[in-house]
Amino acid sequence: AQRVTQPEKLLSVFKGAPVELKCNYSYSGSPELFWYVQYSRQRLQLLLRHISRESIKGFTADLNKGETSFHLKKPFAQEEDSAMYYCALSGGSSNTGKLIFGQGTTLQVKP
Amino acid sequence: NAGVTQTPKFRILKIGQSMTLQCTQDMNHNYMYWYRQDPGMGLKLIYYSVGAGITDKGEVPNGYNVSRSTTEDFPLRLELAAPSQTSVYFCASKGGQGATGELFFGEGSRLTVL
Repeated sequence: AQRVTQPEKLLSVFKGAPVELKCNYSYSGSPELFWYVQYSRQRLQLLLRHISRESIKGFTADLNKGETSFHLKKPFAQEEDSAMYYCALSGGSSNTGKLIFGQGTTLQVKP
Repeated sequence: NAGVTQTPKFRILKIGQSMTLQCTQDMNHNYMYWYRQDPGMGLKLIYYSVGAGITDKGEVPNGYNVSRSTTEDFPLRLELAAPSQTSVYFCASKGGQGATGELFFGEGSRLTVL
């Protein structure tokens, strides 16, 4: 079964500290993994996707197929990074584009 | 472009009432989705559509219905509201083909059933 697990509901760090939001997935084929972010009073939006291998707002994420993980990292957290972060997976042969989301992790960056 | 627009933003229903959550997008996207967001549960897919006239069930379709008569609109219907349907509902759309591509979300509709 396809599944995305984010083990932490809340991650609280101080400004300037490194951040790692964990994401593990279960999928038998070749998945596409995404990170979506929801800032306060804003709509959910794409942060980054693994196929782009890009850094957005200082965040990076590497797909580790051996560990079935797609952790989101940032070396120095900023207060404006405080938000809800969702890891999501897309896959399957039906090509419907539907995403399976993890439970979400709230990142709180303290001054 | 307005993107994905949902109405209403807030609604309180009594048990057994019916209502429709409206969703429209102006990006000419073929794919559209309805998710519900519950605390600690993430987003669960209710229904989705890969084009006008085509809809299919997602993970949690019970108690809901959808239609897709046009590319732009994808309304979600609750026939007999129940407290378990208290949630925040998000509509999303995607362009392109297949599994790749970014989902664009609406602002959400917060529904309370009392």
